[in-house]
Amino acid sequence: SQELEQSPQSLIVQEGKNLTINCTSSKTLYGLYWYKQKYGEGLIFLMMLQKGGEEKSHEKITAKLDEKKQQSSLHITASQPSHAGIYLCGAASNNNDMRFGAGTRLTVKP
Amino acid sequence: DVKVTQSSRYLVKRTGEKVFLECVQDMDHENMFWYRQDPGLGLRLIYFSYDVKMKEKGDIPEGYSVSREKKERFSLILESASTNQTSMYLCASTNLGSYNSPLHFGNGTRLTVT
Repeated sequence: SQELEQSPQSLIVQEGKNLTINCTSSKTLYGLYWYKQKYGEGLIFLMMLQKGGEEKSHEKITAKLDEKKQQSSLHITASQPSHAGIYLCGAASNNNDMRFGAGTRLTVKP
Repeated sequence: DVKVTQSSRYLVKRTGEKVFLECVQDMDHENMFWYRQDPGLGLRLIYFSYDVKMKEKGDIPEGYSVSREKKERFSLILESASTNQTSMYLCASTNLGSYNSPLHFGNGTRLTVT
């Protein structure tokens, strides 16, 4: 099965600071997905990356997939309290399944 | 918008009870999933299904079973609930054939087994 490791496990930043969350796979990624979860709720899809070197942005969040397609990063610029939550990376395999990393809990201090 | 609906937001059950968690999606998705989420462990895949009446074990299927009699509905069954099955359960659906469809999640069912 696909093993996904996320780092850091938790992150506390001051409002306005930039931050990066990493996701590393033990296998080549065929599709890498980033989700955000607010406490006690379902997951909200942020972005999907498929091609080596691909980069996508939405508002102040940028996600990248490396050329070897085994590592992805999620970068938040000028963080705000609304960015707080749990960020999870997920990856699909060729077995019709989807697995996730353990998540990164982000706290943004006003 | 895709909607994935889980039947209960909160459930409290007693040890040994048979528990049914229901999930319905309205987008004709082929693939459906059940995960449980626990602090520090992230989302762990229990079972998934890629077609009606088809089911595959995920990473932690012990103590659970599933049913997919209709395409839109995927049920998770706890045959005899135990306290270690207290958790947040999340259902999701998608079409995964081309790896370019994200999962759509329900809001989760927080199950407490006493």
